[in-house]
Amino acid sequence: DIQMTQSPSSLSASVGDRVTITCRASQTISSYLNWYQQRPGKAPKLLIYAASGLQSGVPSRFSGSGSGTDFTLTISSLQPEDFAAYYCQQSYSAPRTFGQGTKVEIK
Amino acid sequence: EVQLVESGGGLVQPGGSLRLSCAASGFSFSSYAIYWVRQAPGKGLEDVSGISSNGGSTHYANSVKGRFSISRDNSKNTVYLQMGSLRAEDMAVYYCARENWELGANYYYYMDVWGKGTTVTVSS
Repeated sequence: DIQMTQSPSSLSASVGDRVTITCRASQTISSYLNWYQQRPGKAPKLLIYAASGLQSGVPSRFSGSGSGTDFTLTISSLQPEDFAAYYCQQSYSAPRTFGQGTKVEIK
Repeated sequence: EVQLVESGGGLVQPGGSLRLSCAASGFSFSSYAIYWVRQAPGKGLEDVSGISSNGGSTHYANSVKGRFSISRDNSKNTVYLQMGSLRAEDMAVYYCARENWELGANYYYYMDVWGKGTTVTVSS
């Protein structure tokens, strides 16, 4: 199975901050990388697909980049509703493994 | 409205069995692969099992291989997860998710529709 490693595991930030989360795959996965947001008690929500594609309805402050083994999710200006957990996921092969998650908390 | 609704969760003793259902509506169900993704309390997401659009291909996480079985009935727009020999570590919220695709340089896959989840508790 492909292992996905996210960093950091958690971070504290203020409204308006620029936030960057990284994800590394244990082998090359081209651009088969998705990002999800999960608020407490809710199902995950797709933000970014194919490493940099913005899902319909997702605000443009979210962006993704990378290919191969290293990927980044950036929130350009953190909003109150963005405090949540974020997960990367590879869709290169089954099982579709996820990173361990990054919790974004209010500073 | 495009949606997935899970059911069948509950309390089960260690070693017991449970069958989860995922009912779809609002889209052409038979065109999509469906996954079961679980989340143990305070933990991350785990792809437990997936089934292709016609049911011809399935996969399982190593942690459930030989104990869980996935199936689908396209006439009922429903996917099932039969869980057996349940253990404490299977306790989690179980989500079903639709895997969509987009053709770019390749076919790229992503889970774009999720249910609200059903809770499985394993305890004596």
